Amino acid sequence: AQTVTQSQPEMSVQEAETVTLSCTYDTSESDYYLFWYKQPPSRQMILVIRQEAYKQQNATENRFSVNFQKAAKSFSLKISDSQLGDAAMYFCAYNRYGGATNKLIFGTGTLLAVQP
Amino acid sequence: EAGVAQSPRYKIIEKRQSVAFWCNPISGHATLYWYQQILGQGPKLLIQFQNNGVVDDSQLPKDRFSAERLKGVDSTLKIQPAKLEDSAVYLCASSLDGGGVRAFFGQGTRLTVV
Repeated sequence: AQTVTQSQPEMSVQEAETVTLSCTYDTSESDYYLFWYKQPPSRQMILVIRQEAYKQQNATENRFSVNFQKAAKSFSLKISDSQLGDAAMYFCAYNRYGGATNKLIFGTGTLLAVQP
Repeated sequence: EAGVAQSPRYKIIEKRQSVAFWCNPISGHATLYWYQQILGQGPKLLIQFQNNGVVDDSQLPKDRFSAERLKGVDSTLKIQPAKLEDSAVYLCASSLDGGGVRAFFGQGTRLTVV
């Protein structure tokens, strides 16, 4: 069974600084997707960034980038120039590629605080 | 584009009572998911629909939980009877198709069972 592990329950960063959130996963599949979702107090899960496992190039979305290490099964999120609005719960998630069932498997989350 | 709509936002019930949650996915999205998010944990899939058929309900406690998606659009999740451990946020999500296609989430229903 696939699992996702986030070992940092809480992180804190100063405004305008850079922070990295860690995620490791376990799977026997070779093709899959990895995601970082943001969950603010409104509870709505918002997609931050997505990585296809077959792509060697790390995904980037403006101030957000990932470090995808397939062999190590590691998928970290780097937030540059942190802003107050980045404060939220961040979830790493895994989704297998193809097949009839394609559920997202989430980690336990990292609560990010941004200090002004 | 309208997002995924869920109601109610909050619900408080006593144990052994019943409760129902409603979800209206984004128009045209074939896949609909219900996730349960217990405080301090990541969301866990309860059930996945493809149109109006069930694709995955392996983690749905079928003795007390039920869900339906009539006409492949709206969906209702019901709990009867509720237990204290059912206190959680229930998130609905939809996507054009399953897999790596982007899933859009609603704002969830926070259920408290007392």
